[in-house]
Order: sequence, then structure tokens, then C-alpha cells
Amino acid sequence: EVQLVESGGGVVRPGGSLRLSCAASGFTFDDYGMSWVRQAPGKGLEWVSGINWNGGSTGYADSVKGRFTISRDNAKNSLYLQMNSLRAEDTALYHCARVNLAVGATDWFDPWGQGTLVTVSS
Amino acid sequence: SSELTQDPAVSVALGQTVRITCQGDSLRSYYASWYQQKPGQAPVLVIYGKNNRPSGIPDRFSGSSSGNTASLTITGAQAEDEADYYCNSRDSSGNHRFGTGTKVTVL
Repeated sequence: EVQLVESGGGVVRPGGSLRLSCAASGFTFDDYGMSWVRQAPGKGLEWVSGINWNGGSTGYADSVKGRFTISRDNAKNSLYLQMNSLRAEDTALYHCARVNLAVGATDWFDPWGQGTLVTVSS
Repeated sequence: SSELTQDPAVSVALGQTVRITCQGDSLRSYYASWYQQKPGQAPVLVIYGKNNRPSGIPDRFSGSSSGNTASLTITGAQAEDEADYYCNSRDSSGNHRFGTGTKVTVL
């Protein structure tokens, strides 16, 4: 069974740091790109960051660029998100998702993990 | 604009057809994918590419695209289809972007 399990969320003060992890199982991890997507309470989905299969290419939403860093360890089947200089508006449920590609199609996210909650509050 | 715009809410009578639209300039170059999200659950992929359904998604879900608009159609809506629906695609910088989301109510 393909599975993604996030961890590392918690309560952090504004300006603080947190590192999220996503453990992948049930598929060949280094065959796929991965992404982080967040959802603030009562709000819509927001793509946060993505990384290609070997970590050689990354992308970030403007809202987190310069503060967040995505990385992966293919030997450990794990994806990470290092979050620095956290703000109240970063409070959200953070999901990791596998990025799928096919000829003639724009990439898509499947499956998704259940998410880990990050709360930025003083 | 790099935004993907959706109607905030639509309603459909049980067994009838509803179309959810997603508008954005990037859709002239990229296909949209569509995600269903029920309260307290992670999003689930329902449509990707030109009109492809993942295994396990009922064939009442279909996708289409024309110009700057992508559409998700539910033909014969069921009570279990009541959920939030989000489109997603790439923007002009190559990054992903989600639509604003549509809440579907089945009456």
C-alpha cells in the first residue's frame, strides 16, 4: 500500500523554526518528485514547495521563498521541510504529496498524507 | 493572471449534473488536475490530464478543458459527492497553484 506519513508539527513562536518530515512507503521513492501543500484553518489548499526525484530541482511559493527549504533523503525514503522565520500566517495543516508524471499530461498529486499541524503563536 | 479562479459554491439536486469550472491563463498551456476534499480528510485526486480518472473514482466524474477554463463534471451526483473541490495546475513560473475551491452541496 502506498503511504505517506507526516510528522514534526507542533506549536512554535513567531520567528521560530520547525522541521517537518514525510515518510514514504509502498513505492519506489526516488522515482518520483514530491511536494508540500498546506491548508490554513478554514481556508483552501496552497502549494508550498516541490522537489524533483534527486533533489536537483526545487520550487517554492512566493509566500515561503527564502524561509523554507525542501529536501529529501532517498536512502531513507523521506521528504523534509525546514521552516525558518515562522509567521502566524504559516499556521496550517501541512500535507506531503507524491508528484506523478505522464506523457501528455500536467503533473498531479497522488496520494496525499494526512498532514501534520503547525501552529505559530506567541 | 497566474491565479486559478473557481466559483465559491454550487448546489445540485441528487442524481442531477453539476459542472465546476476553474479559470486561469495558465490553463491554456497546462492541464488541470482536480481534488475532492471532505471535512477532516486529506484531498483525493479525482481527475488528471485530459480526462483521466484514478482507479476507484466513479465514472460519473469527468474533466474537460477549453481555452483558459478547465471543468469538472459530476453526472448523476450522489450524496457522497458533497465536498470541496479544488483544481490545480502549473503557473507561468512553473510552480504549482491551486484554485480557490468550490463547495458542492447535494440537495
